Amino acid sequence: GDSVTQTEGPVTLSEGTSLTVNCSYETKQYPTLFWYVQYPGEGPQLLFKVPKANEKGSNRGFEATYNKEATSFHLQKASVQESDSAVYYCALSDPGGNYKPTFGKGTSLVVHP
Amino acid sequence: ETAVFQTPNYHVTQVGNEVSFNCKQTLGHDTMYWYKQDSKKLLKIMFSYNNKQLIVNETVPRRFSPQSSDKAHLNLRIKSVEPEDSAVYLCASSQTGGGYEQYFGPGTRLTVL
Repeated sequence: GDSVTQTEGPVTLSEGTSLTVNCSYETKQYPTLFWYVQYPGEGPQLLFKVPKANEKGSNRGFEATYNKEATSFHLQKASVQESDSAVYYCALSDPGGNYKPTFGKGTSLVVHP
Repeated sequence: ETAVFQTPNYHVTQVGNEVSFNCKQTLGHDTMYWYKQDSKKLLKIMFSYNNKQLIVNETVPRRFSPQSSDKAHLNLRIKSVEPEDSAVYLCASSQTGGGYEQYFGPGTRLTVL
C-alpha cells in the first residue's frame, strides 16, 4: 500500500531561522501531493498541493517541489515566525480516487521568539 | 458561510456509554470522511462516504457505526465507549477525485473516563 514518511517532531526553531521538513512517499501510482497545516484547536487545512512532477507549490512563504525521481516532497521556509508553530502533514492521494488519502505522522513545529 | 461543521466540540463520558457526533458540510462536496486523531497527532482514517454510500471502512471496532442521511451530513455513533476511544474525531469533505484536497472540521474531542 501507499505510505508517507516525514520528519519526526517536535522541531524547535528560533524566529528567523530556516525550516526543512522532509517528506518521502511510496506508491505505485502517480499521486497528487499535499501539505496540510493544523493550528491548535483547529482541523488540518490545506497549505498547498502539487499534482505534477517537477512542479513547485507554495503558500505563505512555504514551498515544496514534487520530485518524482527521489519520491520526495520536502517542505521549506526561509524564515519562520512564531505564528508558524503548528503541526504539518505531508499527504498523497492516488489518481484513481481520494477515498483513502495517505497522511504522514505529522511534524510538530515550535517557533520561539 | 461554507465550511465543515461538527458538534459537539467536546464530550466527556464514562466507559460503556453511547455517544454520537454530527458533521455537516456546506461546500457541496460528494465525499465525506471520519478520521481519528490521537494524542500524538496521528491521523487515522476510519470511514469514507460518497453520496451517502460507504466506500472505505478501515479496521475499526464494530462499536463504531457511521451514518449518512445525505451527501452533506455524516454522523458517527460509538456504542459502549472504551478508554482507548479518547481522541479527537475529525470530519472532512472533498470533491471526488484523486487531485482534490480535503476540508476538515474543527473536530470533536472525546474523553472517556
